[in-house]
Amino acid sequence: DAKTTQPPSMDCAEGRAANLPCNHSTISGNEYVYWYRQIHSQGPQYIIHGLKNNETNEMASLIITEDRKSSTLILPHATLRDTAVYYCLAGYSTLTFGKGTMLLVSP
Amino acid sequence: DAGITQSPRHKVTETGTPVTLRCHQTENHRYMYWYRQDPGHGLRLIHYSYGVKDTDKGEVSDGYSVSRSKTEDFLLTLESATSSQTSVYFCAISGAETDPYEQYFGPGTRLTVT
Repeated sequence: DAKTTQPPSMDCAEGRAANLPCNHSTISGNEYVYWYRQIHSQGPQYIIHGLKNNETNEMASLIITEDRKSSTLILPHATLRDTAVYYCLAGYSTLTFGKGTMLLVSP
Repeated sequence: DAGITQSPRHKVTETGTPVTLRCHQTENHRYMYWYRQDPGHGLRLIHYSYGVKDTDKGEVSDGYSVSRSKTEDFLLTLESATSSQTSVYFCAISGAETDPYEQYFGPGTRLTVT
């Protein structure tokens, strides 16, 4: 599995877009990029994944650079309930969870 | 929410005793996983299953065994619990044949070994 690098923490104002970056420069051609989040003491929650193309669902958008070495998760209108640890993963056989980014959404 | 339950939700046990944690799903998904989560280590894969009676080891499998005799249940056993196995244990399931990494997690079991 490719190693991913994320900032340890980020802040966002409620109602604004939250843009969470992830670096995965060693990703191989068949490895997907996945995003999960974990709200305090709950199990992780799947958000979105992609291979090459940008993806959007009801929760978020995923922007993957053309060289696939980095990606950005976008929460278009962050709410207080989006405060969580966000994990970026890249893999094919099994997923490896790193330490993620603690996103704090404030009023 | 995916139909995943874990039991027990909390357990305190003594060193050296056997412990079995149960993960039950109502989604008929093929893949099931056990993870542990500890401060400073994030989530780490213990074992996983890709079908009834088909299991494999993950990153931190020493001291753990698993069994899956039917699709809906995946059991994690600590044969002789140690204090280093104090952790929060999460079960996850996945059903996509071509995309098994879209995983759905249970609520977790907090295990304390004294």
